[in-house]
Amino acid sequence: QQPVQSPQAVILREGEDAVINCSSSKALYSVHWYRQKHGEAPVFLMILLKGGEQKGHDKISASFNEKKQQSSLYLTASQLSYSGTYFCGTEIDDKIIFGKGTRLHILP
Amino acid sequence: SQTIHQWPATLVQPVGSPLSLECTVEGTSNPNLYWYRQAAGRGLQLLFYSVGIGQISSEVPQNLSASRPQDRQFILSSKKLLLSDSGFYLCAWSGMGIQPQHFGDGTRLSIL
Repeated sequence: QQPVQSPQAVILREGEDAVINCSSSKALYSVHWYRQKHGEAPVFLMILLKGGEQKGHDKISASFNEKKQQSSLYLTASQLSYSGTYFCGTEIDDKIIFGKGTRLHILP
Repeated sequence: SQTIHQWPATLVQPVGSPLSLECTVEGTSNPNLYWYRQAAGRGLQLLFYSVGIGQISSEVPQNLSASRPQDRQFILSSKKLLLSDSGFYLCAWSGMGIQPQHFGDGTRLSIL
């Protein structure tokens, strides 16, 4: 079952904050987050393993609410380098099912 | 350290021609291996994955096939390409358990 990401696209000015949400209709045991820049391969950001867990990566952090079956990615004081498409993924039987992605565009 | 190699980077093929894309991983043993396809501006569609030599799971029935002849080698093939096979093909590997996936640089396939 493919996770649902929202919003589909976001346009921000440098320094603004953004939140990207990922939800699933099935129970979640782990959530992966990746970023893909235009024309490049996706790059791993973080995995969240436990309900309520929060992790951080520079000014990018994420939370995982197992009970609500959702995860959120927080981008604080966005930089131009944050532009790209963000994918969440849920792990099922040795494979990851990715959401459709959220396109993030940062304006100077 | 582990590295993943995928080639070629770009490929232009006529409709009906065969295809062979190769992916190899270095620096790890018994990786899980994956093939994805990404249409322009779209998400990541899982095509095949493998947890061991000769073990292939197909996610989407189509005219593509995959093989894993060696532990760290994963091959994507087609006997006859269709226009709809155009896209960005990505190979990825991960360790056992809940682990990150690491992607190759991808192959951009155009079918004429």
